[in-house]
Amino acid sequence: DQQVKQNSPSLSVQEGRISILNCDYTNSMFDYFLWYKKYPAEGPTFLISISSIKDKNEDGRFTVFLNKSAKHLSLHIVPSQPGDSAVYFCAARVRSNDYKLSFGAGTTVTVRA
Amino acid sequence: DTAVSQTPKYLVTQMGNDKSIKCEQNLGHDTMYWYKQDSKKFLKIMFSYNNKELIINETVPNRFSPKSPDKAHLNLHINSLELGDSAVYFCASSQDLMQTQYFGPGTRLLVL
Repeated sequence: DQQVKQNSPSLSVQEGRISILNCDYTNSMFDYFLWYKKYPAEGPTFLISISSIKDKNEDGRFTVFLNKSAKHLSLHIVPSQPGDSAVYFCAARVRSNDYKLSFGAGTTVTVRA
Repeated sequence: DTAVSQTPKYLVTQMGNDKSIKCEQNLGHDTMYWYKQDSKKFLKIMFSYNNKELIINETVPNRFSPKSPDKAHLNLHINSLELGDSAVYFCASSQDLMQTQYFGPGTRLLVL
């Protein structure tokens, strides 16, 4: 039973435009959320995170928004660059008492020149 | 200066064989993990060791046995390989159980 879902397997965006990646979760106990980025033949690398006490966290071109009532988070990349072409995984955990990260299936982003 | 390294990168083997995948981290982290990425691309935790002690042991067949000789290494031994074991296996490490996890490049296992 997948508790973290990324319903869009792929996203194509023009260079310079905004990329919006979506993630939904079912476990209301999740209180910490992360985004990882993965290039082919490499492991996932940490991108940005957000605690459930916040609704927005920004780091350069990357912003994560959290809507707890909807159990939904999104990652915005502005402006998108060719180097952003990768697979993006959403992950969540119950930080207070659970060491396990639950991952979504990933969204493949392709940034077109 | 690879932070988390795995060997081998690719592993092709026959059903019924026994194989090991090695993982090493040079970050000085206390916690290490093994994940399996299945055909549906989900990353699922298999095991976690904290200071060489097994912390997480998900519902994994007992043909899979992790071994942590020291804090910098967490190896995965698989007995009697089955077709369904074909997947990409990722090792990861973190400073402690609550900190950000750093992943290795993955080992692509194909069982024929």
